[in-house]
Amino acid sequence: ETGVTQTPRHLVMGMTNKKSLKCEQHLGHNAMYWYKQSAKKPLELMFVYSLEERVENNSVPSRFSPECPNSSHLFLHLHTLQPEDSALYLCASSQDIARRGTDTQYFGPGTRLTVL
Amino acid sequence: GDSVTQMEGPVTLSEEAFLTINCTYTATGYPSLFWYVQYPGEGLQLLLKATKADDKGSNKGFEATYRKETTSFHLEKGSVQVSDSAVYFCALSDQDSNYQLIWGAGTKLIIKP
Repeated sequence: ETGVTQTPRHLVMGMTNKKSLKCEQHLGHNAMYWYKQSAKKPLELMFVYSLEERVENNSVPSRFSPECPNSSHLFLHLHTLQPEDSALYLCASSQDIARRGTDTQYFGPGTRLTVL
Repeated sequence: GDSVTQMEGPVTLSEEAFLTINCTYTATGYPSLFWYVQYPGEGLQLLLKATKADDKGSNKGFEATYRKETTSFHLEKGSVQVSDSAVYFCALSDQDSNYQLIWGAGTKLIIKP
């Protein structure tokens, strides 16, 4: 496997379910990101991790819970979601953060989430 | 704060037409500039980038020149193909953004045969 992979690619869940999205990067990067992409809205940065430590949390509701057990893996745990949370969730990685020249982000294919 | 403004879409062109997608930015420092492309049903892919004024990024026939005097990074291609249909995102990063990407809203490009 190369690049950034995400599983599952599609997920349908009810509002009372608990599910997790998984992201894995095979690039040796130190930083990982979760984005939300909704129709007709700009790309929203949700969480940023650097060396397994969360460095940014952009006012995301607590029903989204990230986890970064190591620099290659990133999870997004979901519980009691709302229909408006339906979107494409994108994972990305970059070599580092906060340093010029390490800022190019590489994206996975995304998980298309539908909340019923 | 930093920001990126892209022309609104969709942009609809015929095959082999010349393409320009405008992107302008606001930044206090000396940002790096990026174009990403998102094909239907996929994630974003880096298309090209430029890290200093007057640099030209190029890839797959697309070009963009970093113009500091006009704070622009317009994307161009001389002859588009149906396979270029996608959403194109302009982005920047600099010290003020802590080198995280600041994104434009995206421009949808539709190429008709």
